[in-house]
Amino acid sequence: EAQVTQNPRYLITVTGKKLTVTCSQNMNHEYMSWYRQDPGLGLRQIYYSMNVEVTDKGDVPEGYKVSRKEKRNFPLILESPSPNQTSLYFCASSSHLGQGFNEQFFGPGTRLTVL
Amino acid sequence: AQSVAQPEDQVNVAEGNPLTVKCTYSVSGNPYLFWYVQYPNRGLQFLLKYITGDNLVKGSYGFEAEFNKSQTSFHLKKPSALVSDSALYFCAVREARGGGADGLTFGKGTHLIIQP
Repeated sequence: EAQVTQNPRYLITVTGKKLTVTCSQNMNHEYMSWYRQDPGLGLRQIYYSMNVEVTDKGDVPEGYKVSRKEKRNFPLILESPSPNQTSLYFCASSSHLGQGFNEQFFGPGTRLTVL
Repeated sequence: AQSVAQPEDQVNVAEGNPLTVKCTYSVSGNPYLFWYVQYPNRGLQFLLKYITGDNLVKGSYGFEAEFNKSQTSFHLKKPSALVSDSALYFCAVREARGGGADGLTFGKGTHLIIQP
C-alpha cells in the first residue's frame, strides 16, 4: 500500500530534550515536506526537500532541522524543543515537483507536546 | 507573496442540501489550486486540483470545484451533502519559489458540519 508513515504518533517531552520525528514514504517520491498545523493558522511549511541531499527552508524553519540522506526518509529534528513547538506535525511527499504539480500525500500526523 | 483565504471558519449544511466551501486566492502568475480534506485524527487527503483547462474540476467523493479567474476564487461544491462529509477542508495554492522549488500555501481551513 502506498503510504507516508510517521513515528511517533504522539509524543510528550520537556523543554530542551532533543527529539526526532521520523517520516518514510514508499512511493519513490522526490519531494518531501514537513508542515505544522496550529488552530486558526492552517498548515505552515517548515522544511522541504527536492531530492536526496537537497533541502530548503519553508515558512517557519526556526528551531527545526532536517536531513535527506535517503530518498524514502525525511526526519524532522528538534535540537532543543520549546513549548511554542507544541503542535501537530505532518510529513508529505509528492512526485515530480516542478513541471506540472502533483498532489501531495500526507502522513497521519505526530502530535507533539513540549512541557 | 501568494496567499489563500477561506473566509468561513465553519459551514453548516443539512444533509441532502447542496454545499459550498469558499476559497479565494492571490498569486502573481497562473494559479495551481488544490482542495484537501482532513477527517478527525487523520492526515490530509487530496480531493481535487486545478492546473489548467476546464474551469469546473471534478474530484473524489462527488466533490467539484469551480475556478473563477475574474473573482480569484476556487469554491468547493457538492450537489447533495452527506453526514460523512463532515470534516475540515483546506484550500491550497501552488507557490513558485526560486530555483524551481515549489511549495503549497494553505488556507486556515473550514469546518464543514453536515446535520442529519
